[in-house]
Amino acid sequence: DTAVSQTPKYLVTQMGNDKSIKCEQNLGHDTMYWYKQDSKKFLKIMFSYNNKELIINETVPNRFSPKSPDKAHLNLHINSLELGDSAVYFCASSRGGALNEQFFGPGTRLTVL
Amino acid sequence: QQQVKQSPQSLIVQKGGISIINCAYENTAFDYFPWYQQFPGKGPALLIAIRPDVSEKKEGRFTISFNKSAKQFSLHIMDSQPGDSATYFCATRFYFGNEKLTFGTGTRLTIIP
Repeated sequence: DTAVSQTPKYLVTQMGNDKSIKCEQNLGHDTMYWYKQDSKKFLKIMFSYNNKELIINETVPNRFSPKSPDKAHLNLHINSLELGDSAVYFCASSRGGALNEQFFGPGTRLTVL
Repeated sequence: QQQVKQSPQSLIVQKGGISIINCAYENTAFDYFPWYQQFPGKGPALLIAIRPDVSEKKEGRFTISFNKSAKQFSLHIMDSQPGDSATYFCATRFYFGNEKLTFGTGTRLTIIP
């Protein structure tokens, strides 16, 4: 039983292209997140949605646009890809509340050539 | 702005030894301090977490020590095993309605036989 799933696992594309990454969670959580992990393993939050409403929007270029069609899905669309967008992108979800355990997906490794 | 400083960046420990990873934070409004473990090619997973009203929490071989006055917390892994080899991230939560986690820079732990 996959709790948080992401597709695709690997994404290789040319600079300037537009791509999307999909995320689904079957945990019944209300909150979902997108994180970026760079080549130095630094993990930084990008966005967070709670019940389809955007609640965290860090300083991310507006080429990145998250979309939550329902509370079990959070997709990430990236326009005009740049070399610096190459990273591993993780989706996560949590129930929220005092303990806030976040469950991470397996990641999508994006390589921009 | 780095709000969580983690050290060391990498650590090599003999099997059976004690692994210690330290984190320091700045904001006294943080209210939740988790540690995440990440294996290569996988997403981070919650290992253990502590609230600031206790000074220590132990789960099996893993212990968090929390020093509120010094604004520091550490992860101790007793009887370290090769299977503990992974990257460890401390994190803090600044709870003002969005439950955002800020991660440390990570420690790559290698347990040698």
